[in-house]
Amino acid sequence: SAVISQKPSRDICQRGTSLTIQCQVDSQVTMMFWYRQQPGQSLTLIATANQGSEATYESGFVIDKFPISRPNLTFSTLTVSNMSPEDSSIYLCSVLNTEAFFGQGTRLTVV
Amino acid sequence: GDSVTQMEGPVTLSEEAFLTINCTYTATGYPSLFWYVQYPGEGLQLLLKATKADDKGSNKGFEATYRKETTSFHLEKGSVQVSDSAVYFCALSGTTGRRALTFGSGTRLQVQP
Repeated sequence: SAVISQKPSRDICQRGTSLTIQCQVDSQVTMMFWYRQQPGQSLTLIATANQGSEATYESGFVIDKFPISRPNLTFSTLTVSNMSPEDSSIYLCSVLNTEAFFGQGTRLTVV
Repeated sequence: GDSVTQMEGPVTLSEEAFLTINCTYTATGYPSLFWYVQYPGEGLQLLLKATKADDKGSNKGFEATYRKETTSFHLEKGSVQVSDSAVYFCALSGTTGRRALTFGSGTRLQVQP
């Protein structure tokens, strides 16, 4: 199994600012992902966080808006840049070893 | 690309009723299939999974069978409890190198006493 600590758990931010979300795993994992869950909707993959190289982004998501760092096999950050109210969502970190595990999520409200 | 279609919610049932939440998928090859549950205020938890055709995943009284011929993975429980009230997500893990999960839209289940 894998235990994921994600923080902050929630935040309320002003539009135009940026927020960095941290994801810490209790073991080394190769595969780490960031998802977004918009209000009342399902999870959408933002990107795969690659250790030591640039993240791989899904269609509709770009590095300038969602920069991701992955300095080692247990840690990653996702930044939501230049926020607008449309960015209000839950952001989740996920890792894959024998199965997929998820962090508790960061509930972001942009005002 | 891969996709998952779930029945729309919310589903409202009385305690001890039978539950079915339909899930169908589109994917190349033979994906692994999952049901995740999200209880109010909590994170996503794996409920059950199946990795090949005709496999049955089961946990906490819930079951789902991987049906290749109908590309389905319907979730069932014979007798629901109030504590089963949650959002249920069907998901698949692709076979073409993309290891991230593709999720269905989620189905909210409300069980009334």
